[in-house]
Amino acid sequence: GQQVMQIPQYQHVQEGEDFTTYCNSSTTLSNIQWYKQRPGGHPVFLIQLVKSGEVKKQKRLTFQFGEAKKNSSLHITATQTTDVGTYFCAGPNQAGTALIFGKGTTLSVSS
Amino acid sequence: KAGVTQTPRYLIKTRGQQVTLSCSPISGHRSVSWYQQTPGQGLQFLFEYFSETQRNKGNFPGRFSGRQFSNSRSEMNVSTLELGDSALYLCASRLAGVTDTQYFGPGTRLTVL
Repeated sequence: GQQVMQIPQYQHVQEGEDFTTYCNSSTTLSNIQWYKQRPGGHPVFLIQLVKSGEVKKQKRLTFQFGEAKKNSSLHITATQTTDVGTYFCAGPNQAGTALIFGKGTTLSVSS
Repeated sequence: KAGVTQTPRYLIKTRGQQVTLSCSPISGHRSVSWYQQTPGQGLQFLFEYFSETQRNKGNFPGRFSGRQFSNSRSEMNVSTLELGDSALYLCASRLAGVTDTQYFGPGTRLTVL
């Protein structure tokens, strides 16, 4: 079946270092969404990418959607302790009726 | 605008019992999806309801069921609870389509003893 995979599963960085998580789909996606879940919290929508090769920025966060629309990445520049959490990517299933989530990348940041 | 609300927030049950979880979506949202989140399996899609009809279903046994009411509120039921059903159950609402932003509720933490 359709799968959305994320790597790495865990990442620990020192505050100020950069961080990147990668998302790969087994099928072409019409769009990809990114969510963040803080420890003890629930997933919160960050952004949606729709176009091939699209790049979007939110302050220190940069999101990319691959040219083939099968992969995506989230890059955080100069991490802060507030960036701690699990980052999920999600893409629609082939029927376009449900979101398939990756297992997430858990980021920890030490100051 | 009020967010997605879920009740109860915490629940402890024993094996063999059944449980009903409730979700109230954001006003105007017609789609409600349910997810099970566990450390090992991550976020797994249970089912989605749209205008009182189940529109899509994940790969879970028939013990997991749901429904949606005319006001878009949704309930999820798990019968004959098993230890492995212990998880955070998240409800998410969106306006309608899969490209609409999905808003998650705080979840119901179910512990099965």
